[in-house]
Amino acid sequence: DAMVIQNPRYQVTQFGKPVTLSCSQTLNHNVMYWYQQKSSQAPKLLFHYYDKDFNNEADTPDNFQSRRPNTSFCFLDIRSPGLGDAAMYLCATSEGGGQYFGPGTRLTVT
Amino acid sequence: GQSLEQPSEVTAVEGAIVQINCTYQTSGFYGLSWYQQHDGGAPTFLSYNALDGLEETGRFSSFLSRSDSYGYLLLQELQMKDSASYFCAVISGAGSYQLTFGKGTKLSVIP
Repeated sequence: DAMVIQNPRYQVTQFGKPVTLSCSQTLNHNVMYWYQQKSSQAPKLLFHYYDKDFNNEADTPDNFQSRRPNTSFCFLDIRSPGLGDAAMYLCATSEGGGQYFGPGTRLTVT
Repeated sequence: GQSLEQPSEVTAVEGAIVQINCTYQTSGFYGLSWYQQHDGGAPTFLSYNALDGLEETGRFSSFLSRSDSYGYLLLQELQMKDSASYFCAVISGAGSYQLTFGKGTKLSVIP
């Protein structure tokens, strides 16, 4: 089945230790997104790519970066995670008016 | 910028009908979509309205009035498994792929 895959599902990192989250898709969609979602809050858009064109939200901290080496893969790099970066990170793709989310990676910062 | 308003919580009885409203203010508007999210899960796309009117998909329907900057999600024949958070989200601007979510409505379905 075509889908959005995120690895790992759970990630524990130490304060200040760089971490990379991965996303892949088999839907062949041009647009990919990274969202951050904290408990009982709405998903917050961090970045999106239209093909290789990168779009950074104005309020996304510099601590967060992203790479999209090809259509299928996208990575979220957190350079120096702080305790406030503990959250669910969601990858999504889109076609038409709908977005299709992966299962998310829950990041814990110790 | 964009802002969306939806009720924070709704409770309804199994088998009943519930309507979740969403009003929005945006600097550009391309469409309104709805997502369901169960606790611990990822959002799941439910519906999308770019034009005024009602879109029906099984037990779920979504409505949009662009002139009123208003939409709603209608859930019929409620089931216990429908207990979840429901988010409305605006796509702003033709050609833009940015999605801004409302804060979500937590629906509790009771027996």
